[in-house]
Amino acid sequence: GQNIDQPTEMTATEGAIVQINCTYQTSGFNGLFWYQQHAGEAPTFLSYNVLDGLEEKGRFSSFLSRSKGYSYLLLKELQMKDSASYLCAVMDSNYQLIWGAGTKLIIKP
Amino acid sequence: EAQVTQNPRYLITVTGKKLTVTCSQNMNHEYMSWYRQDPGLGLRQIYYSMNVEVTDKGDVPEGYKVSRKEKRNFPLILESPSPNQTSLYFCASSFSREPYEQYFGPGTRLTVT
Repeated sequence: GQNIDQPTEMTATEGAIVQINCTYQTSGFNGLFWYQQHAGEAPTFLSYNVLDGLEEKGRFSSFLSRSKGYSYLLLKELQMKDSASYLCAVMDSNYQLIWGAGTKLIIKP
Repeated sequence: EAQVTQNPRYLITVTGKKLTVTCSQNMNHEYMSWYRQDPGLGLRQIYYSMNVEVTDKGDVPEGYKVSRKEKRNFPLILESPSPNQTSLYFCASSFSREPYEQYFGPGTRLTVT
């Protein structure tokens, strides 16, 4: 079966760096997405990786290793507004998105 | 402003009473999708549409219907709601089915008693 695994919850301190991991097993691969979802709100797009390596976008970076079925989202200089759930999703060979359950990130002052 | 709108945002209803949740996008997107989100589970796709008059089942289609008569609108219909359909529902759209960013509506929180 197809599966996406990410930690349920993480806690970090304001100003610090946090890495949220995502491992996947899917039928084929057409890219990996990260979305941010604040409580009670809609998910919003953060990043898309289809090639191995690191993509940097401001304070957020996303890494992909296709051979390991692994990605991470790196958040630097954490701010209180980064408290949210972070959703990992993989697009399989049929262009279906498989979603992880999300990682709730709690930022403490 | 580019957006996906959903109505209603909140709905409490009773078992068996037909309801429709509307979804509309103003970005001329071909691909639209409905998801439900439940605690501890990832987003699960209910139905999707690749273009006008083209719809297909997602992972959890039982108890739901959709239609795509116009490109901008993709309503979700619950003919006979049951308590296990109590959930947070999101409509989403993207340029096409291929790997493009999806734009989500604000969500509809449905409670079926």
